[in-house]
Amino acid sequence: QQQVKQSPQSLIVQKGGIPIINCAYENTAFDYFPWYQQFPGKGPALLIAIRPDVSEKKEGRFTISFNKSAKQFSLHIMDSQPGDSATYFCAASTLRTGANNLFFGTGTRLTVIP
Amino acid sequence: EAEVAQSPRYKITEKSQAVAFWCDPISGHATLYWYRQILGQGPELLVQFQDESVVDDSQLPKDRFSAERLKGVDSTLKIQPAELGDSAMYLCASSPGQGFMNTEAFFGQGTRLTVV
Repeated sequence: QQQVKQSPQSLIVQKGGIPIINCAYENTAFDYFPWYQQFPGKGPALLIAIRPDVSEKKEGRFTISFNKSAKQFSLHIMDSQPGDSATYFCAASTLRTGANNLFFGTGTRLTVIP
Repeated sequence: EAEVAQSPRYKITEKSQAVAFWCDPISGHATLYWYRQILGQGPELLVQFQDESVVDDSQLPKDRFSAERLKGVDSTLKIQPAELGDSAMYLCASSPGQGFMNTEAFFGQGTRLTVV
C-alpha cells in the first residue's frame, strides 16, 4: 500500500519553465514532508521540507505548497535549469513517534531541456 | 563534508549465496536506516536503529535478511540466501536523532546489488 502517491511519473520542461510535482497522502499522523533530489548512481539528497503548520515554504528556486485539508503538497521549481534534471521524491513522516520512518513517493523523473 | 559511507558500491552475486553490505553513518548520528530502492521506485524502509537498538524492522524479511549495529556506530545488512527479487539499490541513511530540527536523513551512495 503506497502511503504517498506522487505524480507525474516523468516531466519534460524547457529551461526557464516551472515544473510542478504533486503528492498526496492519507495518513493524518504525518507531520513532516520533505522533498529529495536524486541523481543517477547517487543517494537521495534533501532539497526542502515543510511542516503542516504552514502552507508554503521557499528556498531559493524551490517552493513547497501544502494543502492540509486536501492532504496534498507539491514542489515547484522556478526558472528550471538543465542541472535540475534528476529524479524527485516526495516523502512523509511522523516526528512524534520514535519510528520516524520516511515514506517515499514513487518518484518523478524531471528533464530540463536547454 | 561529512557523509554516509557504504561499501561495496556494486555487488553481483548468484542466487542462494550470502551477501553483506556495510554502512558507516555520519559521526555522532544516533539514528541509522537501511532502505531498499527497486529501480524506478522510491526507497522503502527495511530497518531503523536508534543507537544499537532496533526501532522498526517490520518490513525486514527476517527469514533471509538480518541487520546489526553492535556498537551503535557502523552497521551491516546481510542477505542469506539471496534471491533474484533482491536485486535493488540498498541505501543507508543516518540522522542526528529525533525531533524536527534533527530529522534530516543523509543518504549514502548506496550498494547496487544484482542477483543472477
